[in-house]
Amino acid sequence: GNSVTQMEGPVTLSEEAFLTINCTYTATGYPSLFWYVQYPGEGLQLLLKATKADDKGSNKGFEATYRKETTSFHLEKGSVQVSDSAVYFCALGIQGAQKLVFGQGTRLTINP
Amino acid sequence: EAGVTQFPSHSVIEKGQTVTLRCDPISGHDNLYWYRRVMGKEIKFLLHFVKESKQDESGMPNNRFLAERTGGTYSTLKVQPAELEDSGVYFCASSQWAGNYEQYFGPGTRLTVT
Repeated sequence: GNSVTQMEGPVTLSEEAFLTINCTYTATGYPSLFWYVQYPGEGLQLLLKATKADDKGSNKGFEATYRKETTSFHLEKGSVQVSDSAVYFCALGIQGAQKLVFGQGTRLTINP
Repeated sequence: EAGVTQFPSHSVIEKGQTVTLRCDPISGHDNLYWYRRVMGKEIKFLLHFVKESKQDESGMPNNRFLAERTGGTYSTLKVQPAELEDSGVYFCASSQWAGNYEQYFGPGTRLTVT
């Protein structure tokens, strides 16, 4: 079946630290991969995406590379800010099925 | 452009009662999706409308859940009768095109069944 496994949270870092949130997936076919972010009191927002192997998605200083050989899509940021505090969800979309399959979410807290 | 809106933001009901959640998609978006997150776990797909038709309802947990989208605009999700395990956050999303997965999410409705 199709599934996404995310790094267990919560994650707490100091401002300007390096961030990695791990995400691995299991999928039939050729999925597209996504990171969504939910800031406090808001809905999920698409942060970045990658549609094929070796693609790198990037936005707001965050990056993730679609690694088919390791079935991974780890989220990274070189220097986090307090405003990055949120819940991050890794997700995949299967070609031919319009639904998204999400991981369990990782709560990130950045302390000043 | 207004985003996806959901009402209410929070609902507290007793076991056995009925609750109706509403979602207003972005204007012009034919595709509307319902998802839910239970107990801080993963967000799970419930169903997908294309206009007023149910395209995929494979994620609906049981027949206590009824989703409608009359006229292809807003959608409602009714839970009747509610059970304790239905507690969670219900998200609605919409998209103009189904194939690229760029779904725009609402803030969610937090449902608490006591």
